[in-house]
Amino acid sequence: SQTIHQWPATLVQPVGSPLSLECTVEGTSNPNLYWYRQAAGRGLQLLFYSVGIGQISSEVPQNLSASRPQDRQFILSSKKLLLSDSGFYLCAWSWQGHEQYFGPGTRLTVT
Amino acid sequence: AQKVTQAQTEISVVEKEDVTLDCVYETRDTTYYLFWYKQPPSGELVFLIRRNSFDEQNEISGRYSWNFQKSTSSFNFTITASQVVDSAVYFCALGSFLNAGNMLTFGGGTRLMVKP
Repeated sequence: SQTIHQWPATLVQPVGSPLSLECTVEGTSNPNLYWYRQAAGRGLQLLFYSVGIGQISSEVPQNLSASRPQDRQFILSSKKLLLSDSGFYLCAWSWQGHEQYFGPGTRLTVT
Repeated sequence: AQKVTQAQTEISVVEKEDVTLDCVYETRDTTYYLFWYKQPPSGELVFLIRRNSFDEQNEISGRYSWNFQKSTSSFNFTITASQVVDSAVYFCALGSFLNAGNMLTFGGGTRLMVKP
């Protein structure tokens, strides 16, 4: 069966510090991968998606970036965090156009 | 452009009541997918159901049922005999067969509170 992992679970970072969130999927090959952000009490905002290694599409211009160095690894990064980057970050995977499955999420607080 | 509207931002019911969560969508695609997800307080989104646009059969799974009406572009979700454990935010989503990334368009969510 497939499993998706995200870490860390929670993170508190000062403004201007760098960020690296990691997501890995087990039990499937060549999945589509996605990063979402959810502000407190709000809906889901798609940030990036990837259909293959090294292929990243950005949905929202911001100071975040994403990379996919391996087939089942998806990384969300920032060089300098802003207060507005606080939120709940969710990674998801899908395969061949079917439903997306979500990881446990990372709760990021920028202070 | 695709759009999903969940007009009910918050619903409060007492345990054992039935509750229906509304979802209305807009798309120009002739074939598409519809989904419901549950987000409990822990935060992880849990997939509940996928429905293809060419299959208008309603579906029942235990206390959950879904009513898909293409004529009104709606995909409503009913919980029968609600329980406290049903308290969560529920998201409806729309997916296209056509976009390469299989991206989903999510509604804003409905927060359901079931009181004992």
